[in-house]
Amino acid sequence: SQQGEEDPQALSIQEGENATMNCSYKTSINNLQWYRQNSGRGLVHLILIRSNEREKHSGRLRVTLDTSKKSSSLLITASRAADTASYFCASRPNYGQNFVFGPGTRLSVLP
Amino acid sequence: NAGVTQTPKFQVLKTGQSMTLQCAQDMNHNSMYWYRQDPGMGLRLIYYSASEGTTDKGEVPNGYNVSRLNKREFSLRLESAAPSQTSVYFCASIRPAGELFFGEGSRLTVL
Repeated sequence: SQQGEEDPQALSIQEGENATMNCSYKTSINNLQWYRQNSGRGLVHLILIRSNEREKHSGRLRVTLDTSKKSSSLLITASRAADTASYFCASRPNYGQNFVFGPGTRLSVLP
Repeated sequence: NAGVTQTPKFQVLKTGQSMTLQCAQDMNHNSMYWYRQDPGMGLRLIYYSASEGTTDKGEVPNGYNVSRLNKREFSLRLESAAPSQTSVYFCASIRPAGELFFGEGSRLTVL
């Protein structure tokens, strides 16, 4: 299988807490991206980190990339109930057109 | 509004029936993708089209055909539907910066 992996599969936290999700991938990559999916909706792009970058920030999001371990993490700070969704990482290999998605992390933020 | 439009949003088929899922994007993107999403599996690539007039198989192409009618439209056809094709199907196009832009999905049930 080409699939990446994410953990945890599900995460439940209180509003105001930080949420961390991890992703591992299998091949050398050009970039790695994180997407959000609300229930019953399409995926929405959150942030892209290139293979030569180690950390990137966007608002309350912080993404890290460790190419030696083939892993990435997404940190959502000061979470809100509206952050409740599934989060997916997608790695873009150096060759080919495909993106390899992980199975996702279901985040529940309780008010 | 600019974006990716998928039709139909919901469809129920009987085993052996055929149908076509339609996808259109108005962002002038070159590459378009068809994914399927199954519980616990993330997204898996069925077919993609790097440009008008070209299509290539992805990870799970069996049982599907595609047509890149023009730059805007990329359709996915099931010639003889099977229960294993019950899934949520997403069409996406890729922005110049490398991010995928998804439609809202087509939910297919094959009885």
